[in-house]
Amino acid sequence: DTEVTQTPKHLVMGMTNKKSLKCEQHMGHRAMYWYKQKAKKPPELMFVYSYEKLSINESVPSRFSPECPNSSLLNLHLHALQPEDSALYLCASSQDRTVEHGYTFGSGTRLTVV
Amino acid sequence: AQSVSQHNHHVILSEAASLELGCNYSYGGTVNLFWYVQYPGQHLQLLLKYFSGDPLVKGIKGFEAEFIKSKFSFNLRKPSVQWSDTAEYFCAVSGFQKLVFGTGTRLLVSP
Repeated sequence: DTEVTQTPKHLVMGMTNKKSLKCEQHMGHRAMYWYKQKAKKPPELMFVYSYEKLSINESVPSRFSPECPNSSLLNLHLHALQPEDSALYLCASSQDRTVEHGYTFGSGTRLTVV
Repeated sequence: AQSVSQHNHHVILSEAASLELGCNYSYGGTVNLFWYVQYPGQHLQLLLKYFSGDPLVKGIKGFEAEFIKSKFSFNLRKPSVQWSDTAEYFCAVSGFQKLVFGTGTRLLVSP
């Protein structure tokens, strides 16, 4: 299995909702990432998990809360989002946090906040 | 801190034309360099990567890139593009714990 699987593919949520994005990989990768990509822009790093521990938080607002329950799973919990948070949320994984071999990306969750 | 510059924001080519997309990086340490492609409505896919050794790297779909250390460059090339190469292309450099992406080049190939 050489894939990163993200669910759901599309999500529409209101500003008072709580939702979660899920990401799963079975490649034995020990680093996992959340990126945010706005239209026609490059991906922007949000969080890095290495060996299930949060190692980088790129000053992301607390309405985004990551969680890494085990080495194969990465969640992003969403609460009280704003319309400007609408974007494509990408999960990625790499063998380890040195990123020597690049990332494997999931297909993303397209989030719309209304 | 590492950074990546892609100077061509939009490129329009006819089929069979040759392609070269520029990428310059800034990083003081050992670099690992990547090109990713994002087809319309799809996720990012790795085209090719450079770690060390031969500075001319061959990737998928007929793409190649050349690492020129003296110029801090890692330009992407393809001798003859196809309509199906229409996509956005991102150059990236790996720093500690993350990839840093350039702003991307949007390529449109007309049939």
